[in-house]
Amino acid sequence: AQSVTQPDIHITVSEGASLELRCNYSYGATPYLFWYVQSPGQGLQLLLKYFSGDTLVQGIKGFEAEFKRSQSSFNLRKPSVHWSDAAEYFCAVGARNRDDKIIFGKGTRLHILP
Amino acid sequence: EPEVTQTPSHQVTQMGQEVILRCVPISNHLYFYWYRQILGQKVEFLVSFYNNEISEKSEIFDDQFSVERPDGSNFTLKIRSTKLEDSAMYFCASSFLTRNTGELFFGEGSRLTVL
Repeated sequence: AQSVTQPDIHITVSEGASLELRCNYSYGATPYLFWYVQSPGQGLQLLLKYFSGDTLVQGIKGFEAEFKRSQSSFNLRKPSVHWSDAAEYFCAVGARNRDDKIIFGKGTRLHILP
Repeated sequence: EPEVTQTPSHQVTQMGQEVILRCVPISNHLYFYWYRQILGQKVEFLVSFYNNEISEKSEIFDDQFSVERPDGSNFTLKIRSTKLEDSAMYFCASSFLTRNTGELFFGEGSRLTVL
């Protein structure tokens, strides 16, 4: 079964600084990979997804993520964060072969310093 | 823009009571899901539903839980006899495509507090 690890529970960056949120997955083949964002009091919104092809994926709100098969990673990046990016970010993995479900990581809470 | 809607946004109940959480998925979506998030913990899969039956469920989804699509628009989660540990945010989601190839659209959640 697939699993996903987000090693950082909290990350604090200054507004305008670059951001990288880490995500590692475990799955026997190439999975489907997702990043979701959850703003306070809101549901989960898809930022980006990787299914196949180009390993660098562009998403909404200026985010991108890179799939690295050799490292089993799918880290989320943004070159310059805005105060409105403060939220919880979830990496998620889906199996290609049979499951309907997507498994989420524990999330990383992003704090932005003014 | 179409969206998944959930009601109630917050429900407080006594332990042992039955609770029904309601969801209206996006109208042309075919796959429906419930996830839950206990405060401070990760989002956990509960159940997926397709073609009027459960397609997969997690070990959390025991006999106390049930899902139903009573009409063409609603998708409900029932907890038969709530326990303290059922306190969580419950998210409904829907997708058009199958087997993780489609984007899951989430509702804003229903917060359940069991006293």
